[in-house]
Amino acid sequence: KNQVEQSPQSLIILEGKNCTLQCNYTVSPFSNLRWYKQDTGRGPVSLTIMTFSENTKSNGRYTATLDADTKQSSLHITASQLSDSASYICVVSDRGSTLGRLYFGRGTQLTVWP
Amino acid sequence: EADIYQTPRYLVIGTGKKITLECSQTMGHDKMYWYQQDPGMELHLIHYSYGVNSTEKGDLSSESTVSRIRTEHFPLTLESARPSHTSQYLCASSESIGRLNTEAFFGQGTRLTVV
Repeated sequence: KNQVEQSPQSLIILEGKNCTLQCNYTVSPFSNLRWYKQDTGRGPVSLTIMTFSENTKSNGRYTATLDADTKQSSLHITASQLSDSASYICVVSDRGSTLGRLYFGRGTQLTVWP
Repeated sequence: EADIYQTPRYLVIGTGKKITLECSQTMGHDKMYWYQQDPGMELHLIHYSYGVNSTEKGDLSSESTVSRIRTEHFPLTLESARPSHTSQYLCASSESIGRLNTEAFFGQGTRLTVV
């Protein structure tokens, strides 16, 4: 069964600190992995997207890594800001169908305190 | 900023009413999706479309229906709303198949409450 598991479920950090969110997946055949940021009551917004040939990708203070062999990804946030408070969702796409199905994790709820 | 729009943003209606949630995108994407998301939970695919006149049901069983008469428009309809339909509904679109790094863009969502 294709699944995406994220940890931790929730995380509280102080402003300025770094943090790392984890994503493990069993989706096969793998196409790409994306990290989205979802503010409360709004739609997800893409942060990074990586295919199987990419090990790391950065977007400002966000750096995502991918290990396609172990089927693990991480999202590292540096120098956190209050505006980073949101849910971070790992999404994996397969290439076993013409649709390119998206499989969503439940997200990690990040809260940044001043 | 993604060019995909959902209306209304919030909707409170009575049980038994018929409602249509609107979703439009101006990016020319042929694939469109509807997801349902309860608070703190993951997104569940309820409908998707490859293109005009092509619609399929997703993983999560839903009593809603969709139509795709135009590329840019993918409305979702509930013929008779019930309290169990209370949820957030998210619309998304993406580019054609065959590209490994296709991006999926989401609308802002419709928060539906059935009383």
